[in-house]
Amino acid sequence: EDQVTQSPEALRLQEGESSSLNCSYTVSGLRGLFWYRQDPGKGPEFLFTLYSAGEEKEKERLKATLTKKESFLHITAPKPEDSATYLCAVHPGGGSQGNLIFGKGTKLSVKP
Amino acid sequence: DAGVIQSPRHEVTEMGQEVTLRCKPISGHNSLFWYRQTMMRGLELLIYFNNNVPIDDSGMPEDRFSAKMPNASFSTLKIQPSEPRDSAVYFCASSLSTGYGYTFGSGTRLTVV
Repeated sequence: EDQVTQSPEALRLQEGESSSLNCSYTVSGLRGLFWYRQDPGKGPEFLFTLYSAGEEKEKERLKATLTKKESFLHITAPKPEDSATYLCAVHPGGGSQGNLIFGKGTKLSVKP
Repeated sequence: DAGVIQSPRHEVTEMGQEVTLRCKPISGHNSLFWYRQTMMRGLELLIYFNNNVPIDDSGMPEDRFSAKMPNASFSTLKIQPSEPRDSAVYFCASSLSTGYGYTFGSGTRLTVV
């Protein structure tokens, strides 16, 4: 069964304290791995897509990496405005072609 | 670009009543998705359309749920009759095609009392 697990469930950081969020997955063939940011009361906002092991993408203080079993979202010197829930999703190769399978997210809080 | 537009933003209804949620996808996007988000289960796909045709509705919980996409710019998700366990945030998303990053709407928070 295709599955996505994110850890930790919640993470509290001080401003400037770098850390990483983990997304581990088991899928029958990976077409793509997606990272989203979700603010309270809003829909998820697309951040990155990764397609193959070894690929990396960067945006401001965020960098996403991908291996054959997991992805990391590295946050360098975070600011309070980075506080949000970060969702990981996979697009499996088999089964329903359109179904993005989401993890339950990591809630990040950055204190000034 | 106004993004994906959902209405209403909030809906409170009594058990047994019919509820209709609406979605306008981004112009030019040919895939549309309905998701439901709860604390317990996270984001779950209910149904998705490609070129206005329903492709996979295996996530629709029961016959009480139905979805339509009469044209490329409009979709509805209907629950009839509604039950308290249907309370959740319902998101609509669209994309150029399956496998691309989806653009989500702001969601409809449904409360069934």
